[in-house]
Amino acid sequence: DAKTTQPTSMDCAEGRAANLPCNHSTISGNEYVYWYRQIHSQGPQYIIHGLKNNETNEMASLIITEDRKSSTLILPHATLRDTAVYYCIVRVLDFGNEKLTFGTGTRLTIIP
Amino acid sequence: DAGVTQSPTHLIKTRGQQVTLRCSPKSGHDTVSWYQQALGQGPQFIFQYYEEEERQRGNFPDRFSGHQFPNYSSELNVNALLLGDSALYLCASRRWTGQQETQYFGPGTRLLVL
Repeated sequence: DAKTTQPTSMDCAEGRAANLPCNHSTISGNEYVYWYRQIHSQGPQYIIHGLKNNETNEMASLIITEDRKSSTLILPHATLRDTAVYYCIVRVLDFGNEKLTFGTGTRLTIIP
Repeated sequence: DAGVTQSPTHLIKTRGQQVTLRCSPKSGHDTVSWYQQALGQGPQFIFQYYEEEERQRGNFPDRFSGHQFPNYSSELNVNALLLGDSALYLCASRRWTGQQETQYFGPGTRLLVL
């Protein structure tokens, strides 16, 4: 699976949009971009995933650049409960390849 | 609809002992993966079970073994515990299909080896 690069930490004011970037310059055409987050001492929580089109769900939006070498996760109206470590992962759909390769993620702190 | 559940939540063992951790997948899921997360690190893939067989394995020694039961639940066994095995152990489940199915994680078991 392709390697991802994320900033170590970010702050965002409560109520503002949080934009978390991720670089995946070696991504292959059949690799999806996944985002998970992990609130302190809990299991990772799935947020969203996409292949090449922008995606939106009830939690967030995912913007993938046209060349697919980077993406941005957007939390439109951040709350204190969004404070967590956010992981950007790329993985190929491959029968038998279940592995999610986590990096160290971005520690997002929402400031009151 | 219950999500992924794990037991116990916390566990303390001493070096050289053996431990068994348990996981029940989300309803409708038949594939279980295990991850180890050391303090301050991202989760690391241990192995994955489907149809009661280990299908894929990460870079972990043979001291780490597992099992999947006919009801899709799973166990992770670690023998000859080392201090470095202290970590949060996470279980994730999904449905085995030909589509891009999301893995959902349980709350984890925190293991402390003294």
